[in-house]
Amino acid sequence: AQRVTQPEKLLSVFKGAPVELKCNYSYSGSPELFWYVQYSRQRLQLLLRHISRESIKGFTADLNKGETSFHLKKPFAQEEDSAMYYCALWGGSQGNLIFGKGTKLSVKP
Amino acid sequence: DGGITQSPKYLFRKEGQNVTLSCEQNLNHDAMYWYRQDPGQGLRLIYYSQIVNDFQKGDIAEGYSVSREKKESFPLTVTSAQKNPTAFYLCASSINWGGSTEAFFGQGTRLTVV
Repeated sequence: AQRVTQPEKLLSVFKGAPVELKCNYSYSGSPELFWYVQYSRQRLQLLLRHISRESIKGFTADLNKGETSFHLKKPFAQEEDSAMYYCALWGGSQGNLIFGKGTKLSVKP
Repeated sequence: DGGITQSPKYLFRKEGQNVTLSCEQNLNHDAMYWYRQDPGQGLRLIYYSQIVNDFQKGDIAEGYSVSREKKESFPLTVTSAQKNPTAFYLCASSINWGGSTEAFFGQGTRLTVV
């Protein structure tokens, strides 16, 4: 079964500290993975996708097929990074865009 | 202003009544989606449409119905058969139904059953 697991409901760090939001997936084929972010009072939006291998707002995410993980990382957290983060998996031709339950990141001054 | 528009922002419904949530997009996207967002549950897929005049059930379609008569519109009806309809509903669209396609989301509709 296709599944996305985000083990942390809430992650709280201080400004300038490193951040890692965990995401594990279950998928039998070659996964396509995404991170979406929802800032306060804003709509859910794409942060980055693994296929692009990009860094957005200082965030990166590497697909680790051996560990079936796609953790989101940032070396130095900023207060404006506080938001709800969702990991998502594209389920292929028989599936759809599947979301994890989300992790709320709180960056304290 | 391009994008996805959901209306209304807040909706109240009496038990036993059907209610329709509107979703309109002017992005010329083929695919559209409805998700339900509950605290601690993330986003769960209700229905999706790959192209106009076609739609498929998602993971939690029971008690919901949709139509896709026009490319830009994908309304969701919450019927009286939906046992726990109070939730936040998100509509999304993507240029096509496929893997790396970015999904664009509306602002959401909060439905409360009173």
